[in-house]
Amino acid sequence: DAGVIQSPRHEVTEMGQEVTLRCKPISGHNSLFWYRQTMMRGLELLIYFNNNVPIDDSGMPEDRFSAKMPNASFSTLKIQPSEPRDSAVYFCASSLGPSGGRGTGELFFGEGSRLTVL
Amino acid sequence: QQQVKQSPQSLIVQKGGISIINCAYENTAFDYFPWYQQFPGKGPALLIAIRPDVSEKKEGRFTISFNKSAKQFSLHIMDSQPGDSATYFCAASDGSTLGRLYFGRGTQLTVWP
Repeated sequence: DAGVIQSPRHEVTEMGQEVTLRCKPISGHNSLFWYRQTMMRGLELLIYFNNNVPIDDSGMPEDRFSAKMPNASFSTLKIQPSEPRDSAVYFCASSLGPSGGRGTGELFFGEGSRLTVL
Repeated sequence: QQQVKQSPQSLIVQKGGISIINCAYENTAFDYFPWYQQFPGKGPALLIAIRPDVSEKKEGRFTISFNKSAKQFSLHIMDSQPGDSATYFCAASDGSTLGRLYFGRGTQLTVWP
């Protein structure tokens, strides 16, 4: 079975350019998460969706960041304009939401999109 | 504020030794405590998880010990192998957050042959 699919795997861009990262979650999963990983801050949750609806975007660092989930099989994370401090690995993850009110199901991560902003 | 605190930040262990990583939390509503393993260039993947109705869970060489009263849990890797070298994250969640996991900062484990 296909796991979480992210694209691009690597992106190098110049400061000020728009960056769009894409994610296809596992079919049937109803929760989707965007994380950012850096050496300094570890894994940071940026935003998460449940049934395509944004639930918590408090982790989105600035208005330059936006995320959408137009349908159950696709999500984007956009940075406009990009800055060097946005350089990081961005992970998308999906899960089958909590069952029986007893907490989360397993979170499945993609392989990440490594972003370098020059 | 970090919901889950993890230590140590890095750990070096000789092959065959025991690796121990510790985590602590404050939110008593947490009811699910997984550990994730991440190899370089890959996303984290679930290793083992525990719920607070048991104090220990073992899967092969990996064991989670859970202390509900102290609000602490730890990962023990017995007979550590070079292939175990990776970054390990503890995490926690409760049923009210629609699947959201709160991650620790991670521990980079290196096992020397």
